[in-house]
Amino acid sequence: QKEVEQNSGPLSVPEGAIASLNCTYSDRGSQSFFWYRQYSGKSPELIMSIYSNGDKEDGRFTAQLNKASQYVSLLIRDSQPSDSATYLCAVLLGAGSYQLTFGKGTKLSVIP
Amino acid sequence: SQTIHQWPATLVQPVGSPLSLECTVEGTSNPNLYWYRQAAGRGLQLLFYSVGIGQISSEVPQNLSASRPQDRQFILSSKKLLLSDSGFYLCAWSSGSSWSEQYFGPGTRLTVT
Repeated sequence: QKEVEQNSGPLSVPEGAIASLNCTYSDRGSQSFFWYRQYSGKSPELIMSIYSNGDKEDGRFTAQLNKASQYVSLLIRDSQPSDSATYLCAVLLGAGSYQLTFGKGTKLSVIP
Repeated sequence: SQTIHQWPATLVQPVGSPLSLECTVEGTSNPNLYWYRQAAGRGLQLLFYSVGIGQISSEVPQNLSASRPQDRQFILSSKKLLLSDSGFYLCAWSSGSSWSEQYFGPGTRLTVT
């Protein structure tokens, strides 16, 4: 069973702090990794994609990928109350796959 | 820019009734199209995907079916709904490459009573 694992949380951080969200995956052949943000009652919104080892920064968001450890993370700097949401890690399992496998998500709460 | 539409936004249906959910994409051609379901307390589950008109791949055996009658239209159907079909149904699209990013529509919340 190919899986994507996330800590369900909730993860609570004070406003202005760094939020760190983690994800592990089981398939070593995975090539593409994504982070989605989902507000309660809404559909997931793509916020980051990463395809190679290392860091990728976009504004306050940094995605980190370590394929050897099968680990991907998302850092949110200067967290804001509007960042409070569930963050979903998604992995395209295997080369040439169209199937995104999602973790169950980590609920983030940013406390003013 | 690309836009994805889903309707209806919410639906309450009795057990045993039929279902038809529609998804359309604007601003792109030859998209890959996907149907996902998100049940309460569970992760997003891929139900179907399509890489072209009339090409449907099913990921999970169930009483649902999908069709793609036009390039940018994707339909999810059922002949007889079960209680377990309740959930949040999401349509998504991506460009032609299998590795590319997927973008979700606003979703349809289905309650089977």
